[in-house]
This record gives sequence, structure tokens and C-alpha cells, in this order.
Amino acid sequence: AQKITQTQPGMFVQEKEAVTLDCTYDTSDPSYGLFWYKQPSSGEMIFLIYQGSYDQQNATEGRYSLNFQKARKSANLVISASQLGDSAMYFCAMREPRGTGFQKLVFGTGTRLLVSP
Amino acid sequence: NAGVTQTPKFQVLKTGQSMTLQCAQDMNHEYMSWYRQDPGMGLRLIHYSVGAGITDQGEVPNGYNVSRSTTEDFPLRLLSAAPSQTSVYFCASSPFARDSYNSPLHFGNGTRLTVT
Repeated sequence: AQKITQTQPGMFVQEKEAVTLDCTYDTSDPSYGLFWYKQPSSGEMIFLIYQGSYDQQNATEGRYSLNFQKARKSANLVISASQLGDSAMYFCAMREPRGTGFQKLVFGTGTRLLVSP
Repeated sequence: NAGVTQTPKFQVLKTGQSMTLQCAQDMNHEYMSWYRQDPGMGLRLIHYSVGAGITDQGEVPNGYNVSRSTTEDFPLRLLSAAPSQTSVYFCASSPFARDSYNSPLHFGNGTRLTVT
């Protein structure tokens, strides 16, 4: 079964600095997708970025980028130039391989990021 | 654009009561799912559906029922509420991944349920 591990319960960063949130995953299938979501204190789940296992380049979306290391089974989220509004819970998730049930996302336990002025 | 709409936002139940959490989406998504979020445990899948008339169990299905009579609606029923079901519940939908594997789940705003 697929598993996502986020080992950092909480992270602190100063405004304008970069921060890396760790995510490792476990799967025996070569085809999978990785997602990052942000959950601010208001509670909604906001999609940030996607990385496919066959993608040749690391995904980027504005200030968000993925440090995807396939051999190490890690997909760390890098937030550049942190802003106060980045303070939130961040979840890493993996979509199961193509086939039956491949719609499902498996989530990690999350990392709470606090950005200080 | 309404997206995924969940009702109610908050609910308090007594042990043994039943209720239905409502979820509706207007994006014509085939896939719909229910997650519960508990502190330190992330989001765990309760039930999911890949189309009208098709449902299946997720990781934590006990105590919950679902049905999918239309593409738009996917209600979650608690038959006999227990304190262990105190949680935040999220409904989420996406297009069927055979055509769009990179499609993210679109989440509703959640229902905070307390069972006393």
C-alpha cells in the first residue's frame, strides 16, 4: 500500500526566506502522482503543485517548486521568499497508480509552517 | 463558480443520533470522495465513488454509509454517531483520472462535527 511520510510536525521561517517541507513516499509502482496542498487556518484545502513520476523536470508554480528525487522517493516542497500568508498546514499526497482505484489520494500527516516577520 | 459545496458547516450530535452530511459539485466530476481530518493523522479516506451508482470503501469506512444516485451529489450518512466520529469532514471531487491523471482533488470547505 502507498504511504506518505512527513516528518516535520512544525517548521519556522522568517519572512522572505526560503523553506523546504519534506515528503517521502513509499510505492512499488513506477507510475504515480504527487500533490501538495495548503490548509490555512480558515480550513479550506488549496492545491499548490503536482509532480508526475515520469515528469522529466521538477514542477514549479510561482514561488512553489518541488525538489523531486525519484531514487530517494522524496518530493520536498520548496517555498521561496516566504510571506506571512504562507503560514498554514501543508499536506503531501500521492495518487495511486493507474488502474482500479487510481483516483484515490493518500495524504501525509502534514507540516505546520509558521512565517515570522 | 460554486465548486464543491458541503453542508452543514458545523454540527453537534449526541451519541446514537444519525445525520447526513451533504456534498454537491457542479463541475461534472465523475470521482467524489469523503475524507476525515483528525489532529496528527492527516486526511483519511472514508468512501469514494467513480460515478453514479458506484461506491467503494476507503481506509476508515466503519460507521459511515454513502450512495451516489446522481453525478452531482454524494451524501455521507452517520447511522449511529459515536464520539470517535468527532472530526472535520471533507468532500472532494475530480475528473476521472484516466483522462487527466494530474487533476487535483477539489475540496469543499469542510464540516466540523462534534459528537457528545
